Amino acid sequence: DADVTQTPRNRITKTGKRIMLECSQTKGHDRMYWYRQDPGLGLRLIYYSFDVKDINKGEISDGYSVSRQAQAKFSLSLESAIPNQTALYFCATSLGSNEKLFFGSGTQLSVL
Amino acid sequence: EDQVTQSPEALRLQEGESSSLNCSYTVSGLRGLFWYRQDPGKGPEFLFTLYSAGEEKEKERLKATLTKKESFLHITAPKPEDSATYLCAVRFSGGYQKVTFGTGTKLQVIP
Repeated sequence: DADVTQTPRNRITKTGKRIMLECSQTKGHDRMYWYRQDPGLGLRLIYYSFDVKDINKGEISDGYSVSRQAQAKFSLSLESAIPNQTALYFCATSLGSNEKLFFGSGTQLSVL
Repeated sequence: EDQVTQSPEALRLQEGESSSLNCSYTVSGLRGLFWYRQDPGKGPEFLFTLYSAGEEKEKERLKATLTKKESFLHITAPKPEDSATYLCAVRFSGGYQKVTFGTGTKLQVIP
């Protein structure tokens, strides 16, 4: 089945470390997104990309960067991790102007 | 400020006991309202999109409705496998692609 795959599923790191979360998809979708989910806050958009050459900041982009290496790959980096970046991170995709999002299974990140 | 509020935060039902989840919003221009289901350890899974007041969508035991200020997700004769967190999301008109999610309703259906 066409899918959205996130790696790793779980990651524990220390304050100040650089970390990369990866997302790949076999759906053939052009649009990709990174969200974080925190208890009591809901899902919040970090970055989104409509194609390989189009990268846009979401509502909480500070402290994060992204790279769209190919249509199927979208990675999220934390340049210098801090404890309040501890959260569940989701990659999502969509096709064209269809707003239905398809989510990966998430990466649980803990920054100590 | 555009906001999305879901209620209740948690709901416990007996199997077969119908109920409704609420998603209310304050918007400057609604472009679409979405319902997702999220199981523990998984990403949200799309259920419905609603675009205009009066619109309804159904899928098995779930029915979503939309008014100018809120949406309801009606669950008829729920089964234990309907237990999950249900998320509402709203796309507002604005300068960039943005979907605002509510914090969800955690539903537990007891056999």
